[in-house]
Amino acid sequence: AQRVTQVQPTGSSQWGEEVTLDCSYETSEYFYRIFWYRQLFSGEMVFLIYQPSFDTQNQRSGRYSVVFQKSFKSISLVISASQPEDSGTYFCALSGNTNTGKLTFGDGTVLTVKP
Amino acid sequence: NSKVIQTPRYLVKGQGQKAKMRCIPEKGHPVVFWYQQNKNNEFKFLINFQNQEVLQQIDMTEKRFSAECPSNSPCSLEIQSSEAGDSALYLCASSLAGAPQDTQYFGPGTRLLVL
Repeated sequence: AQRVTQVQPTGSSQWGEEVTLDCSYETSEYFYRIFWYRQLFSGEMVFLIYQPSFDTQNQRSGRYSVVFQKSFKSISLVISASQPEDSGTYFCALSGNTNTGKLTFGDGTVLTVKP
Repeated sequence: NSKVIQTPRYLVKGQGQKAKMRCIPEKGHPVVFWYQQNKNNEFKFLINFQNQEVLQQIDMTEKRFSAECPSNSPCSLEIQSSEAGDSALYLCASSLAGAPQDTQYFGPGTRLLVL
């Protein structure tokens, strides 16, 4: 069974600050990917970045990067130079190799970036 | 970001009524997923397809829920007899075939309210 935990229900930052959102997971899969999505207030889920389990290098995409600690089964999303438009709910999601791709989501972290 | 189209955006039904929602996956994406997100941000995988074939579905989907992805038509998810507990955001996502962990791109969702 897979499980994803996001212990921070809320977070906040000031415009321009770096923000870190944490996620931990449980899986028995050898190969897996961890995805980060942001859910807008409208409900739309926006894909941000993913980390494959076999890659020890932390992934980066624009202002988003991750800190992947495989041995601890944890991954953090880092948002550099945060902006008010980054406000929303951030979800960490896990996909294993043998489960036809369905995602297991955490409970989300509501981020507020103040101007 | 995503080009997945979901209609309608909002759906209001009485208990016992049918509720039908549609999804057009991103062009070139043969794999389609349906998830239910409740008001507590808990996600439940419902069913996924590759082209017109069901890959995996949960028991709930087999009973009151029906879904299909006919060729050259939108995919659809239908609840035969809506219950209050079905009130949720229904998210459709699509991905490329290949690795089960391919990135899923989500539509804006259909928000169902069962009175």
